[in-house]
Amino acid sequence: DARVTQTPRDKVTEMGQEVTMRCQPILGHNTVFWYRQTMMQGLELLAYFRNRAPLDDSGMPKDRFSAEMPDATLATLKIQPSEPRDSAVYFCASGWGLAGDTGELFFGEGSRLTVL
Amino acid sequence: SQQGEEDPQALSIQEGENATMNCSYKTSINNLQWYRQNSGRGLVHLILIRSNEREKHSGRLRVTLDTSKKSSSLLITASRAADTASYFCATDSQGGSEKLVFGKGTKLTVNP
Repeated sequence: DARVTQTPRDKVTEMGQEVTMRCQPILGHNTVFWYRQTMMQGLELLAYFRNRAPLDDSGMPKDRFSAEMPDATLATLKIQPSEPRDSAVYFCASGWGLAGDTGELFFGEGSRLTVL
Repeated sequence: SQQGEEDPQALSIQEGENATMNCSYKTSINNLQWYRQNSGRGLVHLILIRSNEREKHSGRLRVTLDTSKKSSSLLITASRAADTASYFCATDSQGGSEKLVFGKGTKLTVNP
């Protein structure tokens, strides 16, 4: 049963610490999306990749967030330094997309981040 | 920024009734998708409807799309308590990148 795997599931950290979230997309998928979900803002798109190349990270605070795909089986989202306002659930999703056509996305279970 | 906006924000019905949720969006799209999220879980894809389609069915789900009004509706027939969840519409922008933008969702409660 293919699924998107995210780690950690829960993370509590102190302000100023570095946080790295990892995602293993479904084998064969060529797009990876990172979303952040909060009660106030809903689901915000942070960044996405197609064929491991970053296509759009305009939704990401550039000074502290970075997203990479070191290989086809791993996507990472890093926050350094973390702040209390970064507390949210971070979702990774993967799919098979063509230029101009997203297709269906498969979501992981999310990483719940709490920054104290 | 949100492309799709769902309406209503919350909906409470009795088991067996039908539930209708609406989504409005701002710019022309390639396709519109509906997702479901159970509390504390990731989103699950329900149905995708392309801009040249007007209606699509999947089991107890019926989705309509009116591109002239930039709106879509999701109908769940004969609802069950297990349908209790949040429902989101998501759109990509025609002529642009394929990034998928979600609305804030409709929280559906089906009472047994």
